Amino acid sequence: DGGITQSPKYLFRKEGQNVTLSCEQNLNHDAMYWYRQDPGQGLRLIYYSQIVNDFQKGDIAEGYSVSREKKESFPLTVTSAQKNPTAFYLCASRSISEVLGMVHSPLHFGNGTRLTVT
Amino acid sequence: AQKITQTQPGMFVQEKEAVTLDCTYDTSDQSYGLFWYKQPSSGEMIFLIYQGSYDEQNATEGRYSLNFQKARKSTNLVISASQLGDSAMYFCAMREGGIGKLVFGAGTILRVKS
Repeated sequence: DGGITQSPKYLFRKEGQNVTLSCEQNLNHDAMYWYRQDPGQGLRLIYYSQIVNDFQKGDIAEGYSVSREKKESFPLTVTSAQKNPTAFYLCASRSISEVLGMVHSPLHFGNGTRLTVT
Repeated sequence: AQKITQTQPGMFVQEKEAVTLDCTYDTSDQSYGLFWYKQPSSGEMIFLIYQGSYDEQNATEGRYSLNFQKARKSTNLVISASQLGDSAMYFCAMREGGIGKLVFGAGTILRVKS
């Protein structure tokens, strides 16, 4: 079955440590996205990538980094510079044919990773 | 400025009744897309329905329909014949142009009562 896999589902880290969240998709999608969700709030865009080896900052990129070495993978690193890293992180994707001038395609989401930093 | 506004933090509806969830948006683009997602307590984001800015008809998907009023910049979600499984958080989102960045509202929690 095609889909987006985020692992792990729950992640615990000590303050000051970097942590990497995994996102893998087998949908053959070109564009991938990372969103952050805080309790009771909507999703905010962290980073996105439309093609391999290229990515752009979203609205809240500070304290985060990404890489896009393979089409299938878009890992997110939460660095120690991120002041409030505890949150629910969602990865999403869509195909390039949908990106180019076609606004009507939805994002496909993974099941999310809940990160707790203490 | 808020791009997407959902003014109802929480709503209750009796099972089998219809409910309307409000969403207003702000954009100066002529071409944009409006989406509704459902997020159950498990956290997954489930796409429900889409409305394009040039669509003349209101979108419908099963029990979900949109009341799209372009001049008022609103796209309200109507859920007919509510079921207990409809209890979830509902998000309205907008994409301007074709870049792919979806901007989300703060969401509305819906509780269906038996």
